[in-house]
Amino acid sequence: NAGVTQTPKFQVLKTGQSMTLQCAQDMNHEYMSWYRQDPGMGLRLIHYSVGAGITDQGEVPNGYNVSRSTTEDFPLRLLSAAPSQTSVYFCASSYGANGNTIYFGEGSWLTVV
Amino acid sequence: EDQVTQSPEALRLQEGESSSLNCSYTVSGLRGLFWYRQDPGKGPEFLFTLYSAGEEKEKERLKATLTKKESFLHITAPKPEDSATYLCAVQAQAAGNKLTFGGGTRVLVKP
Repeated sequence: NAGVTQTPKFQVLKTGQSMTLQCAQDMNHEYMSWYRQDPGMGLRLIHYSVGAGITDQGEVPNGYNVSRSTTEDFPLRLLSAAPSQTSVYFCASSYGANGNTIYFGEGSWLTVV
Repeated sequence: EDQVTQSPEALRLQEGESSSLNCSYTVSGLRGLFWYRQDPGKGPEFLFTLYSAGEEKEKERLKATLTKKESFLHITAPKPEDSATYLCAVQAQAAGNKLTFGGGTRVLVKP
C-alpha cells in the first residue's frame, strides 16, 4: 500500500511549456484533489474530483486542467506554464467526499523560469 | 468565506518546554477541524480531526482541543523530533472535502 504517489518530485519548466504532474493512489479512494503551497499563503485547492469522470474547480483553477478517467489516477496539467505557477503541488485523496480524513502525497516541486 | 489564522508563525522551544499553538477560524457550518504535521520537503501528515466544541484528542505529546472559534494544539514536554510545521485546516459542511488551511506554525525544539 503506497498511499498517494506523485511524480515527478522536481521539475523545471520554461515559460510557455506544458507538462503533467502525475498522481496515483492505491487505496480505492473516491475523492482526489490538487493543492498548491506557497510561502505565506497556506495550501490552496486547485481542482478536485469526487469520482471517475467527475471533476470541479477549487479556489485557484486558472492555468490548470484535470481529468479523472480512473479511480486511481488524477493528473494535473499545466497548459502554458507561467512563473506564477512556481510552487509546491500536493495531491490528496480520501474515502468518500464528505468529512473524511484527507491524505496527502509527498509533493512535486515545480519551478517555471 | 472560510478563514483560518494560525499563531504564532514560529515557535522556538527548549526540549521539555511545553507550549500551545493557536488556530482561529471562521466557517459557515463546521464539519471538521483538522491538524496536520509537515516536515521539510514532505507532504502534510494527518494528526487529528475534531468535530464539535469541547472535543479533545491526544497522540503522544500532542493534544488538540476545539471551541466554537478556535483550536489549540498543546505540545507537552516536546522533544527535538517534534520540530515541524503544524497546519490547521477547516472543512465546511457544504464544501464536500475541501480544506481551508491556515499558514502554519513552524516549531523548532532545541535539545
